Amino acid sequence: GENVEQHPSTLSVQEGDSAVIKCTYSDSASNYFPWYKQELGKRPQLIIDIRSNVGEKKDQRIAVTLNKTAKHFSLHITETQPEDSAVYFCAASSYSGGYQKVTFGTGTKLQVIP
Amino acid sequence: DAGVIQSPRHEVTEMGQEVTLRCKPISGHDYLFWYRQTMMRGLELLIYFNNNVPIDDSGMPEDRFSAKMPNASFSTLKIQPSEPRDSAVYFCASSLGRVLGNQPQHFGDGTRLSIL
Repeated sequence: GENVEQHPSTLSVQEGDSAVIKCTYSDSASNYFPWYKQELGKRPQLIIDIRSNVGEKKDQRIAVTLNKTAKHFSLHITETQPEDSAVYFCAASSYSGGYQKVTFGTGTKLQVIP
Repeated sequence: DAGVIQSPRHEVTEMGQEVTLRCKPISGHDYLFWYRQTMMRGLELLIYFNNNVPIDDSGMPEDRFSAKMPNASFSTLKIQPSEPRDSAVYFCASSLGRVLGNQPQHFGDGTRLSIL
């Protein structure tokens, strides 16, 4: 089955600096890669996603890159703000045997220091 | 769109009691997922359904856990008997699949379960 590894597990940055979170996956059939943000005591919420036919996607201060050959994808947050502090989860999704299968990473706790 | 609705939001009960968690997915979504989240183990997939049929229950920890989806708008996760180590936040999520391919999951607000 799919195995998703996420690094680092914790990350502290100064406000205004950039943050990068990296994930690797094992199943070459994975073709959809969402990222979720979970604030303390709240539910995970989708912030950006990328499909395997695209190498990069950007939405304001957030960008995601995908390297299918190396089987890794990354989340980039620029000009970080205190409200970016949360736990971020990557996920890899495949569609095989007629069903969707999603595997989550273990999460990265991001702390933005004012 | 009301989103995924879970109930109760909080549940505190004594060891040995039966616990039932409820979930109403987003209308039209054909996938429903149950997750458990703890500090130690992170976000764990317990079971997921497609068109009300359980597809993969390999994440269900043991026979004390059971899940049903009697119709497209309702699912339950039951723990009987409950144990203190079952204390966690339980999330339900739903998504669209099949025709449109992979789609993001939409999570409910979770049920915070405490077993004393």
